[in-house]
Amino acid sequence: NAGVTQTPKFRVLKTGQSMTLLCAQDMNHEYMYWYRQDPGMGLRLIHYSVGEGTTAKGEVPDGYNVSRLKKQNFLLGLESAAPSQTSVYFCASRLVSSYEQYFGPGTRLTVT
Amino acid sequence: AQSVTQLGSHVSVSEGALVLLRCNYSSSVPPYLFWYVQYPNQGLQLLLKYTTGATLVKGINGFEAEFKKSETSFHLTKPSAHMSDAAEYFCAVSPNFNKFYFGSGTKLNVKP
Repeated sequence: NAGVTQTPKFRVLKTGQSMTLLCAQDMNHEYMYWYRQDPGMGLRLIHYSVGEGTTAKGEVPDGYNVSRLKKQNFLLGLESAAPSQTSVYFCASRLVSSYEQYFGPGTRLTVT
Repeated sequence: AQSVTQLGSHVSVSEGALVLLRCNYSSSVPPYLFWYVQYPNQGLQLLLKYTTGATLVKGINGFEAEFKKSETSFHLTKPSAHMSDAAEYFCAVSPNFNKFYFGSGTKLNVKP
């Protein structure tokens, strides 16, 4: 099992550009999450999904959109990137019957 | 709203010394509590969790934590630090297993 994978690992964007981050898991997990990690602020939940075709807002959803068309994939989109979205983005997944989240290796995004 | 406070962004101990990382939470009801560890350039891994039952919980790598409802605390301890324990540690709470709220993290440095 590959676990949770994230694509790409690094990306540099100019202000106003758009991009999509892909999270994939091969553990048949129902729940998937997108977090951002900023220095001194820990992880903050952006959006999450409790199953295929469903998404919900987290703590900091503004400026991001998500989609979960397939159970194994959770996409995070930035329609018009801003410097404030410079961060490390982590995806996580878990079974509905378990409390343990499995995290991907992260995507480091810089917006100039 | 949930909040998690980790006292001390950096903690330094000598190898073999006691490790104590502090976590306090605010919640109107007892939440579910977690400690995660993050090694450099990696995602987070679950160390231990408290859901119900015994308030002293044991995790991986010799770590344990005690849930104290009266103090709204969930401090992480390890009797004897090892060089391999150097990492960043995050306390997290969840009121309902849908959303998770993380503290700002504590970087543990272990001196030889």
